[in-house]
Amino acid sequence: QSALTQPPSASGTPGQRVAISCSGSSSNIGSRTVNWYQQLPGSAPKVLIFSNNQRPSGVPDRFSGSKSGTSASLAISGLQSEDEAEYYCAAWDDSLDGWVFGGGTKLTVL
Amino acid sequence: EVQLVESGGGLVKPGGSLRLSCVGSEFTFSSYTMTWVRQAPGKGLEWVSSISSSSGYIYYADSVRGRFTISRDNAKNSLFLQMDSLRAEDTALYYCARRYIDGFDIWGQGTMVTVSS
Repeated sequence: QSALTQPPSASGTPGQRVAISCSGSSSNIGSRTVNWYQQLPGSAPKVLIFSNNQRPSGVPDRFSGSKSGTSASLAISGLQSEDEAEYYCAAWDDSLDGWVFGGGTKLTVL
Repeated sequence: EVQLVESGGGLVKPGGSLRLSCVGSEFTFSSYTMTWVRQAPGKGLEWVSSISSSSGYIYYADSVRGRFTISRDNAKNSLFLQMDSLRAEDTALYYCARRYIDGFDIWGQGTMVTVSS
């Protein structure tokens, strides 16, 4: 069982906005920043969001992140077929002295 | 192009050992904390171990502590993971990743480790 909890699946139609949640605790999300990763089938993960809501250069502004308390969320607006992938949240955990990942959310574009 | 290339994976029997390597290029390897993350077939990402730029800080997941050893050679832009007492549950694709701010910005393509008799 992952330290961070994500819904196993999400879906939307092209052009829609979808949000993926990530729930943690006071020892990780509650006291640390969150990052998000996209993993396309057969590929290595790619960072989408740093520091709760910062996008690296090259990541479209359709992707946005937010955090409140011990939860975080990744929003994807203007959904596109190429957004179909697995999405993971991650944060440092002060109790475990290590990184924790969410279990992943498989996004399907209908 | 900034990149990381892993090697050293393979098939090993339970209880056996394997040493993974990761070579970085086109960036100042010695300035970055480096990390190993693994992904079992069909499963999610699992952090394994991290080592600071000068090897002063080392961290391990509980699942591998005492069996795996992370190290680096900055002169050779290389990161290593010595894996001993391997178990079936260690079967996974092992990625090395560069730490940037509060996450990992560069990932290798991964090297597959299979533990089976």
